[in-house]
Amino acid sequence: EAGVVQSPRYKIIEKKQPVAFWCNPISGHNTLYWYRQNLGQGPELLIRYENEEAVDDSQLPKDRFSAERLKGVDSTLKIQPAELGDSAVYLCASSSGPGELFFGEGSRLTVL
Amino acid sequence: AQSVTQLDSQVPVFEEAPVELRCNYSSSVSVYLFWYVQYPNQGLQLLLKYLSGSTLVESINGFEAEFNKSQTSFHLRKPSVHISDTAEYFCAVSISNFGNEKLTFGTGTRLTIIP
Repeated sequence: EAGVVQSPRYKIIEKKQPVAFWCNPISGHNTLYWYRQNLGQGPELLIRYENEEAVDDSQLPKDRFSAERLKGVDSTLKIQPAELGDSAVYLCASSSGPGELFFGEGSRLTVL
Repeated sequence: AQSVTQLDSQVPVFEEAPVELRCNYSSSVSVYLFWYVQYPNQGLQLLLKYLSGSTLVESINGFEAEFNKSQTSFHLRKPSVHISDTAEYFCAVSISNFGNEKLTFGTGTRLTIIP
């Protein structure tokens, strides 16, 4: 069974440029999460989807970040425009019930 | 709101020696507790979890953790570590009424095994 797939693995951009990350969760997993992990820190939740509905986006900086999960499967996280402080690893995870999140390998963003 | 404290950011241990990675949590309600592991250049993987029942939970690769409600702790232990255990370990907590919805991670402990 394929795991959570994320792309790109690495992205280097200049500040004020846009960037997008893509996530394909495990088949059948209705819940999808986007986390951000800063260097030396644990992951912090940005947004959680139940199917195509964003049920918790309280930590998403909505002035520059947006996300969508069309048809309740794949998801895209966008940053526009990127700032220096957005450099981090962006993690996607999915789950089918309480007790375990399955994470992708992450997308490492460097903003110059 | 719940929170997690991992006091040790780095733990060096000699191969075949025992190790304990500490995790304390804060919550006013019942919780689920997790340990996730991140091997170099890989994604986070669930190592073990406590949802209910026995307070001692084990992983398939020899780690164990014990839920101690009075101490609000969920320390991770292994009696004899191997080079392959080198990784970063994250403790996480969620409010049991909500399952995964409010999963909060600690800052992580980097375990380095010395040959």
